[in-house]
Amino acid sequence: QKEVEQNSGPLSVPEGAIASLNCTYSDRVSQSFFWYRQYSGKSPELIMSIYSNGDKEDGRFTAQLNKASQYVSLLIRDSQPSDSATYLCAPSPSGAGSYQLTFGKGTKLSVIP
Amino acid sequence: EAEVAQSPRYKITEKSQAVAFWCDPISGHATLYWYRQILGQGPELLVQFQDESVVDDSQLPKDRFSAERLKGVDSTLKIQPAELGDSAMYLCASSLDQGAYNEQFFGPGTRLTVL
Repeated sequence: QKEVEQNSGPLSVPEGAIASLNCTYSDRVSQSFFWYRQYSGKSPELIMSIYSNGDKEDGRFTAQLNKASQYVSLLIRDSQPSDSATYLCAPSPSGAGSYQLTFGKGTKLSVIP
Repeated sequence: EAEVAQSPRYKITEKSQAVAFWCDPISGHATLYWYRQILGQGPELLVQFQDESVVDDSQLPKDRFSAERLKGVDSTLKIQPAELGDSAMYLCASSLDQGAYNEQFFGPGTRLTVL
């Protein structure tokens, strides 16, 4: 059973601070990792993809991957109230067949003005 | 901007009735996914298509759910009969191709309420 663990939160940070969202996964063969943002009542929106160990930066977002530790994180710098949402971590396995994403339950982030 | 289209956006039905959801993926995307998301949970895959073929339907409750993508473009997901436990958000996603490095993009979803 492939598992993805995220702290459900809520994680509250003041406006302008760094929000740190963490995710651990059980499937060692996972090769790609995706972060989705989901506003209440809306569908998930892809915000970051990361495939190699290390950091990947895109604007205010930085994804960090450590495959040996089976750990992936998302940092949001200069957090804004508009960042308040649930963030879903989704690893994807490699190999033939289905490449379904296995989603965590998500971490709810609240940015306080 | 290319988007995944879904309809209807909301559906209220009574248990034992039949319901159907439609999805039109991003143009040129060969892979189409149907997910179900229960409140407070992450999406769970129901079925994956590669063109018109089913790649994975292991989590699809086949006694009541069916899905098709006859021409390899748009897709329909049907539930018959609906049960109270089917109340959820039904999400369609598409990717350029299958494979671990292909990003999946979601449509707006259909919120189903079964009374």
